Amino acid sequence: NAGVTQTPKFRVLKTGQSMTLLCAQDMNHEYMYWYRQDPGMGLRLIHYSVGEGTTAKGEVPDGYNVSRLKKQNFLLGLESAAPSQTSVYFCASRIDRGLPNTEAFFGQGTRLTVV
Amino acid sequence: ELKVEQNPLFLSMQEGKNYTIYCNYSTTSDRLYWYRQDPGKSLESLFVLLSNGAVKQEGRLMASLDTKARLSTLHITAAVHDLSATYFCAVDSQTGGGSNYKLTFGKGTLLTVNP
Repeated sequence: NAGVTQTPKFRVLKTGQSMTLLCAQDMNHEYMYWYRQDPGMGLRLIHYSVGEGTTAKGEVPDGYNVSRLKKQNFLLGLESAAPSQTSVYFCASRIDRGLPNTEAFFGQGTRLTVV
Repeated sequence: ELKVEQNPLFLSMQEGKNYTIYCNYSTTSDRLYWYRQDPGKSLESLFVLLSNGAVKQEGRLMASLDTKARLSTLHITAAVHDLSATYFCAVDSQTGGGSNYKLTFGKGTLLTVNP
């Protein structure tokens, strides 16, 4: 049982390049989230999904797009990378909120540097 | 918009001492989570607090939730060096209608336990 897996773990991009971060979970979770973590800012929600085929904006969605075509995968796209998007990105998933154990499980993170 | 505030943001304490981290949030929620993050690592779930008055304990950590005061506490008893980490609280909030729930994090408390 792999849990939540993020690909890649590290990446360096040049300004203006695009890329896609992949999050895969094997726990049949309904909810998936993308966060970015910056020093002193905690975790800020970029986009999230409450089920296959659905997405919604979080606190800091500008410059990012997401897709959830399959329940187990949640993709985060950077359309035209900027240095301000240098960050550590975390994906998380959790089971339907109607059940008692609804904590989110996190991937190992992707460290992205935009130069 | 939901605001989640933790204090203190930085906590340096001696081994053997007790201390409390506070998590305040701005809108109604009946679910609160505590996470631990070691440097360079992902987030690990510590506690899930599901109702008013909930109290959970694991080793030297005890978490409680007062939904009326919109306050959760994480109490550390007789701190040891291994507890050094960043601790985050996170709050569930409903957005729109139906089953749209997002998870909002505080900025984290960096705890350093000194010998």
